[in-house]
Amino acid sequence: GAGVSQSPSNKVTEKGKDVELRCDPISGHTALYWYRQSLGQGLEFLIYFQGNSAPDKSGLPSDRFSAERTGGSVSTLTIQRTQQEDSAVYLCASSPKAFGVEETQYFGPGTRLLVL
Amino acid sequence: GNSVTQMEGPVTLSEEAFLTINCTYTATGYPSLFWYVQYPGEGLQLLLKATKADDKGSNKGFEATYRKETTSFHLEKGSVQVSDSAVYFCALDAGGTSYGKLTFGQGTILTVHP
Repeated sequence: GAGVSQSPSNKVTEKGKDVELRCDPISGHTALYWYRQSLGQGLEFLIYFQGNSAPDKSGLPSDRFSAERTGGSVSTLTIQRTQQEDSAVYLCASSPKAFGVEETQYFGPGTRLLVL
Repeated sequence: GNSVTQMEGPVTLSEEAFLTINCTYTATGYPSLFWYVQYPGEGLQLLLKATKADDKGSNKGFEATYRKETTSFHLEKGSVQVSDSAVYFCALDAGGTSYGKLTFGQGTILTVHP
């Protein structure tokens, strides 16, 4: 079946604007993850969902960042009042795992965000 | 906290050369270890993994052995191809309440010339 998809693939925005990034996980995968890949910081964990709940939000860099997941499927990462340091590639991954069991994560192609 | 350190790149090799990319980690408990690869224009893909000490992960001619005594998970390939040119990331999953939260190294760019 289809892999993890993300939209948009590229997003250019002006500083101070809000952006929404979307992730469609592989059908049936219960776990969903957001990561950020930037030049200065490498790949960083942002948030993890198990079903619709987020037991681990420890990686969100500030209160301008939020995420939700509905119906145990699609997830949206929202960045409010974007700053230039938010420019990065935002990656989404999903895995079939039940909580507490290690499973392979499958990554989407990412959304490249540029804040001018 | 948990961390992963991998050798700085970029690494440039000729086709059929031997490849080693070093990776060491710091973690409490018994993490699972991974190598991910990102080919040009593509998303991250799992290359191989090992979930306990002395396990060897292997795939596409690549191998890595989980060495608890040296906290290492070095990636090796005996004969690289041009198609192996990519960015390679070492990562760990510390497990426990952090299950699924991957901690990545900085990535190593590999370029293989014909």
